[in-house]
Amino acid sequence: AQSVTQPDIHITVSEGASLELRCNYSYGATPYLFWYVQSPGQGLQLLLKYFSGDTLVQGIKGFEAEFKRSQSSFNLRKPSVHWSDAAEYFCAVGTTSGTYKYIFGTGTRLKVLA
Amino acid sequence: DTGVSQDPRHKITKRGQNVTFRCDPISEHNRLYWYRQTLGQGPEFLTYFQNEAQLEKSRLLSDRFSAERPKGSFSTLEIQRTEQGDSAMYLCASSPDQETQYFGPGTRLLVL
Repeated sequence: AQSVTQPDIHITVSEGASLELRCNYSYGATPYLFWYVQSPGQGLQLLLKYFSGDTLVQGIKGFEAEFKRSQSSFNLRKPSVHWSDAAEYFCAVGTTSGTYKYIFGTGTRLKVLA
Repeated sequence: DTGVSQDPRHKITKRGQNVTFRCDPISEHNRLYWYRQTLGQGPEFLTYFQNEAQLEKSRLLSDRFSAERPKGSFSTLEIQRTEQGDSAMYLCASSPDQETQYFGPGTRLLVL
């Protein structure tokens, strides 16, 4: 069955420090992969996506993610975190079996220390 | 603002009451999705429309739930005889293709 795992429920980093949020997926074919960010009480904003091609993708707000097929991973990174990055981050896979829809991970809540 | 909009943003109701939520997708998007997000979880797929046709319903969508998309524009999600377990954030997303979905701000439902 298709699934997405985000092993870290909470992560705390200091402002200016680097960040890596982990995402592992289980999917038979080459997946469509996404990272979304959700601020408290808000909807989901797309950070970046991977469909094919270059395995390192750039997104908004200085985020990037790297697709590693051998590890079934799509980790999100940022070299220097800003206090405004505090939010919840969701990794998702777009499944093409049957109706195209997203399967989300359970999310990682990021706290940024001043 | 040409993004996805949802109304209301918040709804508090008593158990047993009916509630209806509305979603207005991005105008040129023919695909529309509803997801439900409970506390501490990622969103879970509920149902999908392509234009006015409802093409898939999740097993999460019990008989108390019904969704419509008349004329392939806005969509409504109705919950009849609400239960406390229905308390969640209901998210709508639209898409122009079978790739990227764009989400609205959500409707947060609290059933007392």
